[in-house]
Amino acid sequence: EVQLLESGGDLVQPGGSLRLSCAASGFTFSNHAMYWVRQVPGKGPEWVSVISGSGDNTYYADSVKGRFTISRDKSKNTLYLQMNNLRVEDTAVYYCAKDATLGIGYYFDYWGQGTRVTVSS
Amino acid sequence: EIVMTQSPATLSVSPGERATLSCRASQSVSGNLAWYQQRPGQAPRLLIYGPSTRATGIPARFSGSGSGTEFTLTISSLQSEDFAVYYCQQYHDWPLTFGGGTKVEIK
Repeated sequence: EVQLLESGGDLVQPGGSLRLSCAASGFTFSNHAMYWVRQVPGKGPEWVSVISGSGDNTYYADSVKGRFTISRDKSKNTLYLQMNNLRVEDTAVYYCAKDATLGIGYYFDYWGQGTRVTVSS
Repeated sequence: EIVMTQSPATLSVSPGERATLSCRASQSVSGNLAWYQQRPGQAPRLLIYGPSTRATGIPARFSGSGSGTEFTLTISSLQSEDFAVYYCQQYHDWPLTFGGGTKVEIK
């Protein structure tokens, strides 16, 4: 059974940093691109970042480029999102999600339960 | 950026009736469109991709159609568990973008 379990969400002040983790199980982790998608309650999801299965390729939404870094550890089957210089508008529930295909940039067949990030003074 | 617009924002339907949800892209996404269902307090769940292929385990009452800029999700006979918010997502180009959602509520 595929499972994605996020952690690391917290209340942080503007300008602060946070590192999210997503522990994956139930599938061959290195075969699939992995994503971070965030959602403000009552709004549609927003794609944040993606990393290829090999870890060689990463992409970011313009809204987080230069502040967020996605990475993965294949030995731990874990996905990360390092978030620096956080802004109030980064407040959201952050989900990790798995690409349904063996490619990158498609759709998501499994999502974690989400971890809440609140940026406020 | 491709903007996805969903309509209506809220759809009131009686159990057993048909629901038709629309999704429009600001430019052609060919057939690169997916639909998700999100129940309160849960993560989105993949329903449809491609744009008419049901994901694993999705009941046949869910169907998707369309191409280019106009897409439709149809739920043929609403069950109690189908009352939720539905999102479309394009994967034709970066950035991947979602619509604002349609809430299907009990009439």
